[in-house]
Amino acid sequence: EPEVTQTPSHQVTQMGQEVILRCVPISNHLYFYWYRQILGQKVEFLVSFYNNEISEKSEIFDDQFSVERPDGSNFTLKIRSTKLEDSAMYFCASKGLAGGTDTQYFGPGTRLTVL
Amino acid sequence: GDSVTQMEGPVTLSEEAFLTINCTYTATGYPSLFWYVQYPGEGLQLLLKATKADDKGSNKGFEATYRKETTSFHLEKGSVQVSDSAVYFCALNIYNFNKFYFGSGTKLNVKP
Repeated sequence: EPEVTQTPSHQVTQMGQEVILRCVPISNHLYFYWYRQILGQKVEFLVSFYNNEISEKSEIFDDQFSVERPDGSNFTLKIRSTKLEDSAMYFCASKGLAGGTDTQYFGPGTRLTVL
Repeated sequence: GDSVTQMEGPVTLSEEAFLTINCTYTATGYPSLFWYVQYPGEGLQLLLKATKADDKGSNKGFEATYRKETTSFHLEKGSVQVSDSAVYFCALNIYNFNKFYFGSGTKLNVKP
């Protein structure tokens, strides 16, 4: 069964450093998402991406964040200058074509630790 | 606004006990409703879903019925197993391609 994959599984970085989290969505999906889950809290929406542009973003997704689909398979989340409060589990998700299921399929997550 | 409220955890049950995890929602439109499960150290896995009122989603012995009149989508299982120990998230999606709103998650511990 196709699945969303994410790398790395765990990333440790120093405050102020840039990090790039990588995701490979399910191959025929067109809608892509990033969510985050601070330890013990809700899963929160960050951004949705369709047709090579951001379709919606939350207030969490400020200028320090960016997303990109650099090729036909990867979907990345970049945090330009990490802060302690960016420590969280980051989930990538993807969804299929219009008219199909509205289920989002989630990857296993990347745990980001900012020291 | 749109939101999901779940019962607080953790919920601790003995094996073969009956499980109910309550979920209620507030939605500006007509949502689809989901339950996701997160096993220790893993990501979110879709457990079941329902896309319209009175639909019942079911999977692996779990069930939930979309109740529009009570704006609820409670998760139930007749006989839990130790392997069901996980965190369960209720979620809704209003528009077909936009974001999900998640509840805070309910941790289930099943003891042998």
